[in-house]
Amino acid sequence: GAVVSQHPSRVICKSGTSVKIECRSLDFQATTMFWYRQFPKQSLMLMATSNEGSKATYEQGVEKDKFLINHASLTLSTLTVTSAHPEDSSFYICSATQGALNQPQHFGDGTRLSIL
Amino acid sequence: KNEVEQSPQNLTAQEGEFITINCSYSVGISALHWLQQHPGGGIVSLFMLSSGKKKHGRLIATINIQEKHSSLHITASHPRDSAVYICAPLSIQGAQKLVFGQGTRLTINP
Repeated sequence: GAVVSQHPSRVICKSGTSVKIECRSLDFQATTMFWYRQFPKQSLMLMATSNEGSKATYEQGVEKDKFLINHASLTLSTLTVTSAHPEDSSFYICSATQGALNQPQHFGDGTRLSIL
Repeated sequence: KNEVEQSPQNLTAQEGEFITINCSYSVGISALHWLQQHPGGGIVSLFMLSSGKKKHGRLIATINIQEKHSSLHITASHPRDSAVYICAPLSIQGAQKLVFGQGTRLTINP
């Protein structure tokens, strides 16, 4: 089955640090990748939609300068949390799809980010 | 009112019991995912369906597009089925965006 690898799985760092999270599709070409954030006991919240070779589309209320998304190839998208602060502590998870209509989304294992 | 409503929110059952989780949605959809999220956070897509019924092992998912309702059933439940189950319709308006239910936390006791 389709596999999405997300790295790192856990990050603990100091306030002000920038953190990069990678999302890779291992055995398929992901024309579209999604980045989600999840706070404890809450549902996933879509942050942005990333299409290969073009700028990401951010959801309302998500700062694009704060959460930099790059989707430079058909198998890799990255999310960089710039100058992270404690309120950015959350669970971040990506998903990938082959892009045609009604293709299933395949999820990574998520990254738990803790900013001290 | 949420666009996606799941019930129950929490469910505890004994091993072997038949489990049903329901999902009602108000958005127009092209398909619907049932997702399983384990305590570590990782998410697995169990099903994506747009009509009728799908079965995979002990799991069965059904959808009624006209009634805007889907169900996930687990037969012969096992403690390893303990997880959060999330209904996520694929909105026809949203460029393949998923709309998430709040999840059902299932605990199967041995």
